[in-house]
Amino acid sequence: NAGVTQTPKFRILKIGQSMTLQCTQDMNHNYMYWYRQDPGMGLKLIYYSVGAGITDKGEVPNGYNVSRSTTEDFPLRLELAAPSQTSVYFCASSYSTGEGYGYTFGSGTRLTVV
Amino acid sequence: AQTVTQSQPEMSVQEAETVTLSCTYDTSESDYYLFWYKQPPSRQMILVIRQEAYKQQNATENRFSVNFQKAAKSFSLKISDSQLGDAAMYFCAYRSAERSWGKLQFGAGTQVVVTP
Repeated sequence: NAGVTQTPKFRILKIGQSMTLQCTQDMNHNYMYWYRQDPGMGLKLIYYSVGAGITDKGEVPNGYNVSRSTTEDFPLRLELAAPSQTSVYFCASSYSTGEGYGYTFGSGTRLTVV
Repeated sequence: AQTVTQSQPEMSVQEAETVTLSCTYDTSESDYYLFWYKQPPSRQMILVIRQEAYKQQNATENRFSVNFQKAAKSFSLKISDSQLGDAAMYFCAYRSAERSWGKLQFGAGTQVVVTP
């Protein structure tokens, strides 16, 4: 049981480049989330999805895009990378919003934009 | 929007001693969930404990317990018999039970340092 798998674990991008952060879960969770964690800060929500084909913006969506074509996959796309996007990115999933379920997190992607 | 505040950037504790981490939150909702997550140097986010707002009884998980004061909007975490493996960043988080699609609102975190 892999849980939530994120790739890559580390990446260095040059300003203006684009990339996709991959996220896959094998728990048949409906809800998936992308967060970023800046040094000394808590996690901030970028985008989330409540099911295949349904996505919505979080607190800090600018400079990112997402898609959710299947229940399992929720990739995060960075277009025209900027130094402000240097951060650690976490993907997470949840079975339900009820019953107080917590998240299952991936192991994170450390992204540096130079 | 809900806000979560952790006022202690860092807390230090000796092995076998007890440390309490503070968390306050701001909400107008009556039904919600609160969580403590642990993030060790490996970066992995690990759920430590959760509390349902409609339950008055404080949650306990082995050496971890919470003091949930709903009226005061306070949710502190107590780590008893601290171990070196408890050294990590700890995040308090809020999740609405009424709407917002299960989004978690995180505090800024408290770094716990455990000394031998």
